[in-house]
Amino acid sequence: AQSVAQPEDQVNVAEGNPLTVKCTYSVSGNPYLFWYVQYPNRGLQFLLKYITGDNLVKGSYGFEAEFNKSQTSFHLKKPSALVSDSALYFCAVSSKAAGNKLTFGGGTRVLVKP
Amino acid sequence: NAGVMQNPRHLVRRRGQEARLRCSPMKGHSHVYWYRQLPEEGLKFMVYLQKENIIDESGMPKERFSAEFPKEGPSILRIQQVVRGDSAAYFCASSPPSISYNEQFFGPGTRLTVL
Repeated sequence: AQSVAQPEDQVNVAEGNPLTVKCTYSVSGNPYLFWYVQYPNRGLQFLLKYITGDNLVKGSYGFEAEFNKSQTSFHLKKPSALVSDSALYFCAVSSKAAGNKLTFGGGTRVLVKP
Repeated sequence: NAGVMQNPRHLVRRRGQEARLRCSPMKGHSHVYWYRQLPEEGLKFMVYLQKENIIDESGMPKERFSAEFPKEGPSILRIQQVVRGDSAAYFCASSPPSISYNEQFFGPGTRLTVL
């Protein structure tokens, strides 16, 4: 069975400071990893994905994530956070063995203060 | 190209009634997925469908829940005899057919409230 852990329920950061949202995963075989963002009363918006290739993945809105196979992690990062980045962030994993089924972490609420 | 459409956006039902949630995937997408989000929790997979086929329903409760994706028309998630514990946000996602793995695009969700 595959699983995702997001160890922080909430991350607080000052505007302009770097933002990191942590994610670790467990999966059989090679992972397919995703980050989504959810604003209040909205659906999920895709930010970025890792399927294969370079470990550093660049996505929407200045976000990037680094795939670390040895640490089974896929942390989301942004060099300089904006107040508008305040939202709920979800890490998700799938694999060939799981078909196309996504398994989500519990989410991390990001609060960027001006 | 319109995104994934879901309706209704909000649905209120009394215990024992039926809830019917609809999802129209993005144009060109033939794979549909349903997820449920309980308050303050992550999304939980329910079912994965392709046109006229259920591919994976391992996340569906054994009773009262059913899903279909007919040849024509939207995908339907049906909940019979709703109970208060069914109150949640139900999200539909779609992806295109492809030999390589594609991200899923999510609709805005249907928020079901059971009184």
